[in-house]
Amino acid sequence: NAGVMQNPRHLVRRRGQEARLRCSPMKGHSHVYWYRQLPEEGLKFMVYLQKENIIDESGMPKERFSAEFPKEGPSILRIQQVVRGDSAAYFCASSPSVAGVETQYFGPGTRLLVL
Amino acid sequence: SQQGEEDPQALSIQEGENATMNCSYKTSINNLQWYRQNSGRGLVHLILIRSNEREKHSGRLRVTLDTSKKSSSLLITASRAADTASYFCATDAKSNTGKLIFGQGTTLQVKP
Repeated sequence: NAGVMQNPRHLVRRRGQEARLRCSPMKGHSHVYWYRQLPEEGLKFMVYLQKENIIDESGMPKERFSAEFPKEGPSILRIQQVVRGDSAAYFCASSPSVAGVETQYFGPGTRLLVL
Repeated sequence: SQQGEEDPQALSIQEGENATMNCSYKTSINNLQWYRQNSGRGLVHLILIRSNEREKHSGRLRVTLDTSKKSSSLLITASRAADTASYFCATDAKSNTGKLIFGQGTTLQVKP
């Protein structure tokens, strides 16, 4: 049973470009969470999605960031017009149900570097 | 200030010694989880303790939870060099969406 898959593992973008980060949850998991980790800090919640629905986006910046989890295919975190402050590690986690009682399983992360 | 704050921020011990890390949080929770992160890698789930549990064991790991003090501790016994990593506690803050709130982490170095 493959774990949570994220790609790319490393992504370099110049200021103003777009970054698209992909996450495939564990088999059988229908809940996806995105977190951001700045250097030397803990993870910060960004958004929680179920298939075709955004359930909680309270941690998403108001502009330039969007997320989706389509019926088919991976979840996508999209960052438009990237700035240097977007440089961070972005982690995706999945769970089989709402993680009030379930463990979230994390992917290896995508490390975004904005030049 | 944050839900989930670990203490100490950094800990350095010799192989074979025990390592204790503490975590404090601010709001009511359904559960608290501990994760390990090796440098530059993803998070590995270690243990989940529910709000109605006081202690849980998994191998060399022992986790305690004191909901009256809103605190938890992670004890790693007989540490090994391979335990060198950052350790994070995460709470759900009784959120019905399950989002986790992480602390800043404790960086543990185990010297061989």
